[in-house]
Amino acid sequence: DAMVIQNPRYQVTQFGKPVTLSCSQTLNHNVMYWYQQKSSQAPKLLFHYYDKDFNNEADTPDNFQSRRPNTSFCFLDIRSPGLGDAAMYLCATSPGGLSYNEQFFGPGTRLTVL
Amino acid sequence: SQQGEEDPQALSIQEGENATMNCSYKTSINNLQWYRQNSGRGLVHLILIRSNEREKHSGRLRVTLDTSKKSSSLLITASRAADTASYFCAGIVTAGNKLTFGGGTRVLVKP
Repeated sequence: DAMVIQNPRYQVTQFGKPVTLSCSQTLNHNVMYWYQQKSSQAPKLLFHYYDKDFNNEADTPDNFQSRRPNTSFCFLDIRSPGLGDAAMYLCATSPGGLSYNEQFFGPGTRLTVL
Repeated sequence: SQQGEEDPQALSIQEGENATMNCSYKTSINNLQWYRQNSGRGLVHLILIRSNEREKHSGRLRVTLDTSKKSSSLLITASRAADTASYFCAGIVTAGNKLTFGGGTRVLVKP
């Protein structure tokens, strides 16, 4: 089945220790998104890729970076995690183009910062 | 910043009852979507309504959209315990690929 996969599902890191979260998709979608979702809050868009074009949200901290080496994979790098970065990180994809279709979400990676 | 506000923030109903939640948004949208999120999981797309549509049905779901009031509602009929989840509205602004989510409504359906 076509899907969005996130690894790992749970990640524990130490304060200030770089961490990378992974997302892959078999949908061959043009657009990949990263969201941060804190407890009992709505998902907040961090950035997205349209093909190779990177689009950062204005209020995304510099501590958060992303890479998309190919269509299938996208990575979220947190260079120096702080306690406030503990959250669920959601990856999503969409076909892109003018139809503005639904987004397909992965199961998320829950990040704990000690 | 969030595109919309959702009302109520939490809703508790008995199985078989209907659940209604509302969403208001701030800027013009191309379409509005509703998603469900089970606890600790990713979001699942439920239904999309375009800005030129007023009402849409999908199974037990009914969505309305009033662009003059910048508001939408989601009705779940004959609710089941499995409908227990958080429900989010999300808008795509005109000429964009980005969803902006409302705050969500937590629905508890008691058996």
